[in-house]
Amino acid sequence: GPKVLQIPSHQIIDMGQMVTLNCDPVSNHLYFYWYKQILGQQMEFLVNFYNGKVMEKSKLFKDQFSVERPDGSYFTLKIQPTALEDSAVYFCASSLPPPGTALNERLFFGHGTKLSVL
Amino acid sequence: GDSVTQKQGQVTLSEDDFLFINCTYSTTTYPTLFWYVQYPGQGPQLLLKVTTANNKGISRGFEATYDKGTTSFHLQKASVQESDSAVYFCALVASGSWQLIFGSGTQLTVMP
Repeated sequence: GPKVLQIPSHQIIDMGQMVTLNCDPVSNHLYFYWYKQILGQQMEFLVNFYNGKVMEKSKLFKDQFSVERPDGSYFTLKIQPTALEDSAVYFCASSLPPPGTALNERLFFGHGTKLSVL
Repeated sequence: GDSVTQKQGQVTLSEDDFLFINCTYSTTTYPTLFWYVQYPGQGPQLLLKVTTANNKGISRGFEATYDKGTTSFHLQKASVQESDSAVYFCALVASGSWQLIFGSGTQLTVMP
């Protein structure tokens, strides 16, 4: 089935450094998302993105966070600078229509990038 | 704001046991409700979906029924297998939003 690829699978950085998490969404999808998961449980919404713009973001999407998808390439999440509390697994997702708008829509998630901030 | 509540953090069953995972939600709109399942080392994947129009979702032996009166959306399965061991998330999208909001997840462990 359709796959979302996330690169790298694990990233270790020092606090205060910049990190970019990369996501290769399903090829014909138009809507993109980032989620943060801590301790293998709670999936926290960060942001969704469509047509080059952030559509919705949560309180967790701090000023240090930014997203972009230049020229249809990777959908990226950048954190600059990183903080210890940013350590988590970050999941990228994509969908063709937005959730809740069509009968067969769903979010397709990648396998996540584990970010460890030291 | 919109929210989803799963009070059962962990559930441990034996094969062929009946599964029931509780989920309640809060929203001022007409939501679309989902159950996602996450296997180790993977992202969540859609298990089933229910809208206010059809009231019930069924997939792979799992079933969930939407009850507007109690704002609940419980997940059931008559006979679980060891391969069903995973984390199960209840989730909703509020009308007019594109934000999929997850519950806190229920870790299901099925013993052989």
